[in-house]
Amino acid sequence: AQSVTQPDIHITVSEGASLELRCNYSYGATPYLFWYVQSPGQGLQLLLKYFSGDTLVQGIKGFEAEFKRSQSSFNLRKPSVHWSDAAEYFCAVGLKTSYDKVIFGPGTSLSVIP
Amino acid sequence: EAGVAQSPRYKIIEKRQSVAFWCNPISGHATLYWYQQILGQGPKLLIQFQNNGVVDDSQLPKDRFSAERLKGVDSTLKIQPAKLEDSAVYLCASSLAGPRGDTQYFGPGTRLTVL
Repeated sequence: AQSVTQPDIHITVSEGASLELRCNYSYGATPYLFWYVQSPGQGLQLLLKYFSGDTLVQGIKGFEAEFKRSQSSFNLRKPSVHWSDAAEYFCAVGLKTSYDKVIFGPGTSLSVIP
Repeated sequence: EAGVAQSPRYKIIEKRQSVAFWCNPISGHATLYWYQQILGQGPKLLIQFQNNGVVDDSQLPKDRFSAERLKGVDSTLKIQPAKLEDSAVYLCASSLAGPRGDTQYFGPGTRLTVL
């Protein structure tokens, strides 16, 4: 069965430090890959997405993610975290079916220490 | 461009009561999704519409949940009767076409509390 795992339930980093959020998936083919962010009381916002081609994807707010086919991973990175980055981050995979079902991971909660 | 609109934003009901949520997607978006997000979890797809036809409702508890999308635009999600475990945020999203990994745009959600 298809699944998405985010091994870290909660991460705390200091402002200005680098960040990496992990995401692994289980699927028989290369899916579409997404990272969304959810700030308190707000809807989900797309940070970036991978469809094909270059495995390093640039997104909004200074985020990037790298697709590694051999590891079935799509980790999110940011070189320098800002206090406003504190939020819940969700990795999602789009299955290449006739209607492209999207499955979300359980999320990683990010806290930023000033 | 207006985003995805949802109402109400909050709803508190007692178990066994019924409730309905409304969603207005972005204009021109053919695909509409309803997700359930329980506290501490990722969103779970309940139902996906392509225009006004259902393409996936495999995780919709059909004995109590129903959804419709009239004229391929607005949609309503209903729960009748509600159970305690239905307490969650119900998210509506829309995308331009759906297939080929199109970006989903989410509304602010409706937070449902069942007492």
